[in-house]
Amino acid sequence: QVQLQESGPGLVKPSETLSLTCTVSGGSISSYYWSWIRQTPGKGLEWIGYVYYSGTTNYNPSLKSRVSISIDTSKNQFSLRLSSVTAADTAVYFCARQGGYNYHFDYWGQGTLVTVSS
Amino acid sequence: EIVLTQSPGTLSLSPGERATLSCRASQSVSNRYLAWYQQKPGQAPRLLIYDASSRATGIADRFSGSGSGTDFTLTISRLEPEDFAVYYCQQYGSSPLTFGGGTKVEIK
Repeated sequence: QVQLQESGPGLVKPSETLSLTCTVSGGSISSYYWSWIRQTPGKGLEWIGYVYYSGTTNYNPSLKSRVSISIDTSKNQFSLRLSSVTAADTAVYFCARQGGYNYHFDYWGQGTLVTVSS
Repeated sequence: EIVLTQSPGTLSLSPGERATLSCRASQSVSNRYLAWYQQKPGQAPRLLIYDASSRATGIADRFSGSGSGTDFTLTISRLEPEDFAVYYCQQYGSSPLTFGGGTKVEIK
């Protein structure tokens, strides 16, 4: 059974960079698309972007200027960096898997709350 | 960007009743690339339906999806106590991937 687990700081200061890692277990990270999604009470679920196992990325235009997603296949991990954060970036961040291009999200991490505050 | 509008915002029903949830897209969703998820408090969304009408592995057959183009429906034929939750639709036919705002199914 594939499992995803997010990890990273739960508190980030305004203007700094949010960094999270998702560790994939129970299956290979290869041949799939790996996404970050966040959820806030105000904006609901928002797709941030994905990385393919080859390293190809695709980002939501609303966040593109501040987002970077990378993958480390040797560690079965992929990571999110979101720069210049503000209080509006406070959210529960999920990592999730797509079985392929134009696929639904079939596996999700449990989510991690990141609060942006000084 | 495809905007997904879910209605109603809240559905108040009793166990055993039928639930009909709507998801309307601002433009056609290609190839019926639309999924439905169930989310309970403190949990991640769980995949119920993909490609508009295919049930995910392990999902009870009381859940069914239908629709194409811009109009999609999730139906729960007879509500069980564990079905009271928030339901989201999501399209994956064009980038950026987008989600609807959710429908909360609550106990009447």
